[in-house]
Amino acid sequence: VTQTPKFQVLKTGQSMTLQCAQDMNHNSMYWYRQDPGLGLRQIYYSMNVEVTDKGDVPEGYKVSRKEKRNFPLILESPSPNQTSLYFCASSWTADNSPLHFGNGTRLTVT
Amino acid sequence: QQQVKQSPQSLIVQKGGISIINCAYENTAFDYFPWYQQFPGKGPALLIAIRPDVSEKKEGRFTISFNKSAKQFSLHIMDSQPGDSATYFCAASRAGGSQGNLIFGKGTKLSVKP
Repeated sequence: VTQTPKFQVLKTGQSMTLQCAQDMNHNSMYWYRQDPGLGLRQIYYSMNVEVTDKGDVPEGYKVSRKEKRNFPLILESPSPNQTSLYFCASSWTADNSPLHFGNGTRLTVT
Repeated sequence: QQQVKQSPQSLIVQKGGISIINCAYENTAFDYFPWYQQFPGKGPALLIAIRPDVSEKKEGRFTISFNKSAKQFSLHIMDSQPGDSATYFCAASRAGGSQGNLIFGKGTKLSVKP
């Protein structure tokens, strides 16, 4: 799972798309954010192409899954509370196959 | 409301010692309990997982103990090594056993001193 960019600094309201691509032909893909003391929280997930659903903290984010390989996370009008470490993950199916995580994008919104 | 409570937040263990991380859950519909290991600068990776039909699962130096009646499970790392220094997350999946619906604990930062 490849995430780009690795680091990004944005100003409040400056839109940004975090990219995620997987080359394992996995059906399912996910976005998480990791914050100190809060662990990993799911933002959105996708069970297949054109099928997406909200996770636990979807506010302020959008996703699309137009092709199997890619699952971009869109921040249309970022705010400082979206400063976080973002992880994309993929798995074969939703049925307990392991999650394969990327190495993260560290996003700072000033 | 947090559904998976993990403790301790941080843990320091001497090389060769036993590291123990505990998790408790509330939802009795959870039916899959994985542990993920995360090294600095990397994403988490699946370490070991258990289902509630067994009370213990061992893989090398890593063991999960599961207590269904107490709704608790724990990770034991035997003969802890400096290379085990990482952040460990327990997790649980909601009814249906979907990894897409994993709920993670807040993590435990383990430091193994040489």
